Amino acid sequence: EDKVVQSPLSLVVHEGDTVTLNCSYEVTNFRSLLWYKQEKKAPTFLFMLTSSGIEKKSGRLSSILDKKELSSILNITATQTGDSAIYLCAVSDNYGQNFVFGPGTRLSVLP
Amino acid sequence: EAGVAQSPRYKIIEKRQSVAFWCNPISGHATLYWYQQILGQGPKLLIQFQNNGVVDDSQLPKDRFSAERLKGVDSTLKIQPAKLEDSAVYLCASRWGRADNTEAFFGQGTRLTVV
Repeated sequence: EDKVVQSPLSLVVHEGDTVTLNCSYEVTNFRSLLWYKQEKKAPTFLFMLTSSGIEKKSGRLSSILDKKELSSILNITATQTGDSAIYLCAVSDNYGQNFVFGPGTRLSVLP
Repeated sequence: EAGVAQSPRYKIIEKRQSVAFWCNPISGHATLYWYQQILGQGPKLLIQFQNNGVVDDSQLPKDRFSAERLKGVDSTLKIQPAKLEDSAVYLCASRWGRADNTEAFFGQGTRLTVV
């Protein structure tokens, strides 16, 4: 059974700090790993990482996939209060059946 | 491009009652998912459709949950009868294809409270 683990489960930082969120996975025939940001109810897409695209960056956010270690990190630099959210990691397999989600990391950025 | 539409946004029912949720995916998206997200947990897949066919419903509690996507567009998810442990946010998501490298887009979800 596919499995996704995230750490830490909860994190509190101050504005301007840099944070690193971790995701590790066990999946048969890995295809892609996705990061989503969930502020209220709807998760919004951040990045997709695959074997052909193991590093992505957008503004203050960046993510790297380590296929050897079966893991990924999401970095947020110079955090802002608007970054407060739950960050979800999901993986899909080569059959594209569905996305298996981890429990999420709840990030709180204090002013 | 319009996003994934879900209704209602909130629903409170008593246990043993029935409830239905509706989802309209992004136009042209063949794949549709229903996820259940219990407070403090990640979304868990209930059912996946490809057009109007079921691809995966292995985690759907079929004794009380049912879902359909008759014309391959809109979908409804029903719970009958509801239990207290069904209290959760029900998220609908859609995706262009299935075996491709595209992301899923989520609706705003329906927060169900069973009392």
